[in-house]
Amino acid sequence: EAGVAQSPRYKIIEKRQSVAFWCNPISGHATLYWYQQILGQGPKLLIQFQNNGVVDDSQLPKDRFSAERLKGVDSTLKIQPAKLEDSAVYLCASSLADRGGRDEQFFGPGTRLTVL
Amino acid sequence: RKEVEQDPGPFNVPEGATVAFNCTYSNSASQSFFWYRQDCRKEPKLLMSVYSSGNEDGRFTAQLNRASQYISLLIRDSKLSDSATYLCVVKDYKLSFGAGTTVTVRA
Repeated sequence: EAGVAQSPRYKIIEKRQSVAFWCNPISGHATLYWYQQILGQGPKLLIQFQNNGVVDDSQLPKDRFSAERLKGVDSTLKIQPAKLEDSAVYLCASSLADRGGRDEQFFGPGTRLTVL
Repeated sequence: RKEVEQDPGPFNVPEGATVAFNCTYSNSASQSFFWYRQDCRKEPKLLMSVYSSGNEDGRFTAQLNRASQYISLLIRDSKLSDSATYLCVVKDYKLSFGAGTTVTVRA
């Protein structure tokens, strides 16, 4: 079974530029998550989708970050404009459903973003 | 206070040793608890869920103490392949990850 796919794997940009990340979850997984993991820290949930609806985006910096999952399958996360502190690994994860958070999340390999 | 706190370690142990570490959480209404494993520069992977009665999976034992608001992970008979960062995950209305506890098993 194919896992969660993410692209690109690495991205280097200058501050104030824009960047977009793409995620394709495991087939049939209704729930999709985007996390930000800064070096030395645990992943921080940015946004959670259930099919194409947003379940939780309370920690998404909405002035510069946006995400969409228009057809309930793949998703994009955008940063515009990027700041130095956005340097991190952006992880996408998916799960079958969100039964009170008890479903296992499967993570993609992540996109490592460096903002110069 | 952070929602989920872990001792960052590192815990350096010889092969065959037992190592245990805890994770504390701040929200008493938290519903679900997990341990994830993350190898260096890799994505996290689920190690085990943590149930109220405690549970065991091979050499790994997880315990939940709701009164004191902590969960624990114990690794028996450590292997070199157990070297990783162990992330504590707690769900109240959202999922919160701890910063991880690093375990290094030496030959």
